[in-house]
Amino acid sequence: QKEVEQDPGPLSVPEGAIVSLNCTYSNSAFQYFMWYRQYSRKGPELLMYTYSSGNKEDGRFTAQVDKSSKYISLFIRDSQPSDSATYLCAMTDRGSTLGRLYFGRGTQLTVWP
Amino acid sequence: DVKVTQSSRYLVKRTGEKVFLECVQDMDHENMFWYRQDPGLGLRLIYFSYDVKMKEKGDIPEGYSVSREKKERFSLILESASTNQTSMYLCASSPRLHGTNEAFFGQGTRLTVV
Repeated sequence: QKEVEQDPGPLSVPEGAIVSLNCTYSNSAFQYFMWYRQYSRKGPELLMYTYSSGNKEDGRFTAQVDKSSKYISLFIRDSQPSDSATYLCAMTDRGSTLGRLYFGRGTQLTVWP
Repeated sequence: DVKVTQSSRYLVKRTGEKVFLECVQDMDHENMFWYRQDPGLGLRLIYFSYDVKMKEKGDIPEGYSVSREKKERFSLILESASTNQTSMYLCASSPRLHGTNEAFFGQGTRLTVV
């Protein structure tokens, strides 16, 4: 079993839709949770990060962490065609892993006008 | 602006060749990573380094080696390239102790082995 599971999609939604992206994980030591966005033929870029449990909002994006369920989510409100990309979740415990991040496989999202 | 630079965007090599992929970061980060990315498999960690001359195997180190002689440079070496090493290779760096361990990625090198 991979440490981080993420449905690769693809996910296709109309402009203006609410998008929900999710990951589950098995290592209860993970404390930092991140979402990366990767446009076609580019390297991933950090979109949001959350420490421990709770919600974090940044504009149209909301990240949620439920450590009791080992489940994280990214919500995109009022989705735009420019949101079309692959979204990767990542997480780490910082301490024992020497800074290593554990990634999900990524979910490919297309927002059509 | 932070930057991770990979030496080539596209590379075509022949089976059996020794291949060098170079990565340079200008952020004085301690950690550096090499991943490969394949459709349906996501990012897989090949090797990482948390200090000069230090290296750790990732999940798929077979067929690869690395070199880190200077803090800013991390090289991935394919000792004898094979067709199953055709992939997108991504280099990343991150600070060791502070913040979230946010990793900054290069633009990727698409390697084709023929």
